[in-house]
Amino acid sequence: GESVGLHLPTLSVQEGDNSIINCAYSNSASDYFIWYKQESGKGPQFIIDIRSNMDKRQGQRVTVLLNKTVKHLSLQIAATQPGDSAVYFCAENRSGGSYIPTFGRGTSLIVHP
Amino acid sequence: GAGVSQSPRYKVAKRGQDVALRCDPISGHVSLFWYQQALGQGPEFLTYFQNEAQLDKSGLPSDRFFAERPEGSVSTLKIQRTQQEDSAVYLCASSLAIRDQPQHFGDGTRLSIL
Repeated sequence: GESVGLHLPTLSVQEGDNSIINCAYSNSASDYFIWYKQESGKGPQFIIDIRSNMDKRQGQRVTVLLNKTVKHLSLQIAATQPGDSAVYFCAENRSGGSYIPTFGRGTSLIVHP
Repeated sequence: GAGVSQSPRYKVAKRGQDVALRCDPISGHVSLFWYQQALGQGPEFLTYFQNEAQLDKSGLPSDRFFAERPEGSVSTLKIQRTQQEDSAVYLCASSLAIRDQPQHFGDGTRLSIL
């Protein structure tokens, strides 16, 4: 299940299950969104991105859904593996010339074998 | 490898000392970003370079923080007269274009101020 911890929301799943990580973004003018995975002691790693003219994009085992009406972004991971355990961040780029991505709070995904 | 390289990986300094953190971006990447990441938080923007030009330094927390990228490749983040609140992981990222391109991050420098 999903719970809000002291620092990071945490999602615990069993190996082989599908995972859904959610992100609420702040600015309706944002037009580019990115999901990153960050393992302990490492920098964020790019997973998948989506532009605001799309509502869904698929990669290898991952799907990003964008709902602009409610300013919501989700990352779906199929057949979750222990190696997927990490902190996941969404980031938004705002239109109108701003090039600085704003990172969300992050969700800790724990995959139990 | 061909990724973003940061050095040192760990830095311990006494309060009041100056530190310098280095970032080697991916070759050919125009954009370079510095971030500060506190434990349990997402990266917070510090400053941005397009080639050698520092176009945005609005995230630098004080005038003790200074960044440069003199030849448009390697960048250095310098913190003068360090304080305990400067303890954090400092991340560098580079990307091909100015915007709407995913950033490639280094593994960061973990700075601890005693």
